[in-house]
Amino acid sequence: GQQVMQIPQYQHVQEGEDFTTYCNSSTTLSNIQWYKQRPGGHPVFLIQLVKSGEVKKQKRLTFQFGEAKKNSSLHITATQTTDVGTYFCAWLQYSGAGSYQLTFGKGTKLSVIP
Amino acid sequence: DTGVSQDPRHKITKRGQNVTFRCDPISEHNRLYWYRQTLGQGPEFLTYFQNEAQLEKSRLLSDRFSAERPKGSFSTLEIQRTEQGDSAMYLCASSSVLGYEQFFGPGTRLTVL
Repeated sequence: GQQVMQIPQYQHVQEGEDFTTYCNSSTTLSNIQWYKQRPGGHPVFLIQLVKSGEVKKQKRLTFQFGEAKKNSSLHITATQTTDVGTYFCAWLQYSGAGSYQLTFGKGTKLSVIP
Repeated sequence: DTGVSQDPRHKITKRGQNVTFRCDPISEHNRLYWYRQTLGQGPEFLTYFQNEAQLEKSRLLSDRFSAERPKGSFSTLEIQRTEQGDSAMYLCASSSVLGYEQFFGPGTRLTVL
């Protein structure tokens, strides 16, 4: 089945440094979603991208969807300790007959050193 | 209704016992999903309901797992004859028919001894 590969698995940054996580698929994706999960918490939806080459920004977060719709990235500018957590990309698949399935990558765990 | 709720938050059981978890979605959401998450992994899809109909079930899901959503509101996930490999966080999420954003509950952490 279709898999979403996410790199790196871990990232340690000094507070104020930038951070990027990448999501790659072997096949074209109809959409890509990003979620954040704080330590001990549950996934929280950040954004969905659907268009080729799409770029969206949320304050210090920049999300991109590749031109071929096979990869995506999340970039955080000037990280803060509140950015700590695991960032997941996910793909919402419509399976027919009104059925949906969200497939997650393994996530990138971000640590921010104050 | 401020969000998705799950009960219990923690469950410790002995191998071979049956367990049941409950999920209460956001009230106006007719789509409900169950996921399983183990340490260091992303959530793994288990099953999907639209109203009371179970429309999708993961092929990886053992026959020991069953889920219901009898009135299209809350849902239950039952695991029969639990095994140590069932130890995980079980997450429930809901979404509206018009939206693609899934709202997750706090999860039920299952430990099978």
